[in-house]
Amino acid sequence: NAGVTQTPKFRILKIGQSMTLQCTQDMNHNYMYWYRQDPGMGLKLIYYSVGAGITDKGEVPNGYNVSRSTTEDFPLRLELAAPSQTSVYFCASSLGGNQPQHFGDGTRLSIL
Amino acid sequence: SQELEQSPQSLIVQEGKNLTINCTSSKTLYGLYWYKQKYGEGLIFLMMLQKGGEEKSHEKITAKLDEKKQQSSLHITASQPSHAGIYLCGASFGNEKLTFGTGTRLTIIP
Repeated sequence: NAGVTQTPKFRILKIGQSMTLQCTQDMNHNYMYWYRQDPGMGLKLIYYSVGAGITDKGEVPNGYNVSRSTTEDFPLRLELAAPSQTSVYFCASSLGGNQPQHFGDGTRLSIL
Repeated sequence: SQELEQSPQSLIVQEGKNLTINCTSSKTLYGLYWYKQKYGEGLIFLMMLQKGGEEKSHEKITAKLDEKKQQSSLHITASQPSHAGIYLCGASFGNEKLTFGTGTRLTIIP
C-alpha cells in the first residue's frame, strides 16, 4: 500500500518556467490537499479538494492552479515560477474533513 | 495573531528525561491532530483528539485535550533518540481544513 506518492522529490526551476507537481493516492480518499512549508512557518494550505471535480482555494493560492479529474490524482501547477515559490510542497489526503490527513514525502522546489 | 500557537519552538532534552509540548488555540477546537516530521520527510500522524478532556497514549507519547478544547499537550516520557524531530499540531475549526502550528524542533542529547 503506497499511500500518498509525490513526484518529483527535487526540482530546480528557472524564473518564469512552469511545472506540475504530481500527487496520487491509493487509499480511495475523497479529500486531498496541497501545502507549502517554509522554514519556521509551519504548513500553509494552497488548494484542497473534497472530491473529483471539486477544488477550492486555501490560504496561499496565488501563483498556483490545481485540477481533480480523478479521485486518485491531484496535480499542482506552477505557471510562472517566482523565487517566492521556493519551498517544500506536501500533498495530503484524508477520508473525510474530520479525519487524519496522510502526507506524501514532499517535493523540494528551488526557483533560481 | 496566530489562530494556533505552539510552544516551545525548540527543545533540547537529555536522553531519558520527560518533556511536554503545548498547542494553544484562540478558538474552540473541533479536532486536534499531532504529527511528527523528520528532516527531509513527510509528516507522520501520531494521534487525534476530539473530545474535551480526551487523552490518548501510544508507546511513550501521551496527548491530551483540555476540557475547554482550546489547548492540547504532547508529553514524552523517558525520551529516546528516536523521538527527535519536529512535532506539529494541526487544528480543525469545524470545516474540512486544518490549521498547523509552526512546529517544535526536538533534539535529544545523550
